[in-house]
Amino acid sequence: GAGVSQSPSNKVTEKGKDVELRCDPISGHTALYWYRQSLGQGLEFLIYFQGNSAPDKSGLPSDRFSAERTGGSVSTLTIQRTQQEDSAVYLCASSLALAGATLDEQFFGPGTRLTVL
Amino acid sequence: QKEVEQDPGPLSVPEGAIVSLNCTYSNSAFQYFMWYRQYSRKGPELLMYTYSSGNKEDGRFTAQVDKSSKYISLFIRDSQPSDSATYLCAMSPITQGGSEKLVFGKGTKLTVNP
Repeated sequence: GAGVSQSPSNKVTEKGKDVELRCDPISGHTALYWYRQSLGQGLEFLIYFQGNSAPDKSGLPSDRFSAERTGGSVSTLTIQRTQQEDSAVYLCASSLALAGATLDEQFFGPGTRLTVL
Repeated sequence: QKEVEQDPGPLSVPEGAIVSLNCTYSNSAFQYFMWYRQYSRKGPELLMYTYSSGNKEDGRFTAQVDKSSKYISLFIRDSQPSDSATYLCAMSPITQGGSEKLVFGKGTKLTVNP
């Protein structure tokens, strides 16, 4: 079956420009996560959507970062006025989030590699 | 101090060697302990997980958790070149029918040489 897909796979932009990264979760998965993976920092949580609840934005590094999830499916991560330190791989994951489940396994997409010049 | 510490390596071993990968953590609330494998230019995939303390074995892989020491390990027996990847430990507190954001180590890059 189809896994989590992300687009674009690579994005090169100039400092100060805005970028949009897209994530298509696995069909039926109600939870969606964004993580950032950068050299020296490892994989860091950014934001989490669960059903119709307010998103958990506690990991967003600054107000230049925002994300939305339309119709409980596709999500877009937007970075405004990009900086060189935003260069990283942005990973999206989704999970079933079933009530009473033991481990709610997160399935990751291949990521978007963002380079800010 | 980060919540989860993992030596990034790199680690290079000959084929057939036993590999030991480790993480330490500081948050006592963590109850789920996971190991993800990430091949180059791919997303991480769940390899194994353990709930609370103890051991879990799956083929050539064994995961161990020692909550008293806040230390987790992944052992790979008879390592193969196809095991060459970055291994990330991840942890979360217990879930209550929902999901939790995972806290990851930085990952250890492993190369198994034929």
